[in-house]
Amino acid sequence: GEEVAQTPKHLVRGEGQKAKLYCAPIKGHSYVFWYQQVLKNEFKFLISFQNENVFDETGMPKERFSAKCLPNSPCSLEIQATKLEDSAVYFCASSRRAKQETQYFGPGTRLLVL
Amino acid sequence: KQEVTQIPAALSVPEGENLVLNCSFTDSAIYNLQWFRQDPGKGLTSLLLIQSSQREQTSGRLNASLDKSSGRSTLYIAASQPGDSATYLCAVRNRDDKIIFGKGTRLHILP
Repeated sequence: GEEVAQTPKHLVRGEGQKAKLYCAPIKGHSYVFWYQQVLKNEFKFLISFQNENVFDETGMPKERFSAKCLPNSPCSLEIQATKLEDSAVYFCASSRRAKQETQYFGPGTRLLVL
Repeated sequence: KQEVTQIPAALSVPEGENLVLNCSFTDSAIYNLQWFRQDPGKGLTSLLLIQSSQREQTSGRLNASLDKSSGRSTLYIAASQPGDSATYLCAVRNRDDKIIFGKGTRLHILP
């Protein structure tokens, strides 16, 4: 597609439940990035993929968070045993290449952990 | 550690005025700098991308400059319109490929 698609738009989970978010990058884009926006303008990089390979995961919390980009499937970000502080908007972005290329952002998934 | 600062945090200006948003960064070893716009409850829209070798980029009423050596970028908006009201975010891509965002400037154009 011509836009980065993210589903669902909104997700509500009870503390301790699992949350799974999906991202379909723009067709032809090799790189996918996940960001977390906790407070209004605090963007935090989580992880990036080059095709199905992890490119950079230095922003991922070591526990509870995992992500995958499998061939012919949307990329996914999964949070096991959600905590209140996981409440945030999770943005996915894609670009044709990692360096020197514009990242195109999806509309985000708003996760609320109660 | 790269830090990106945006000043002011919020700005209100009457319609029709020209305005400048500022972004500064502490580590000049960057690949590029990008300005985004975020409308309430929405994702990010890329406005301008300046590569580290470039000094400025223009798109319509927007002009972004980059002075890498001093760690500064400005976003100039000419003849502001109410539809320009949004949060403007500056982000730098480091040499380690990480993108670091500023906290944004909330712009409100008064009709």
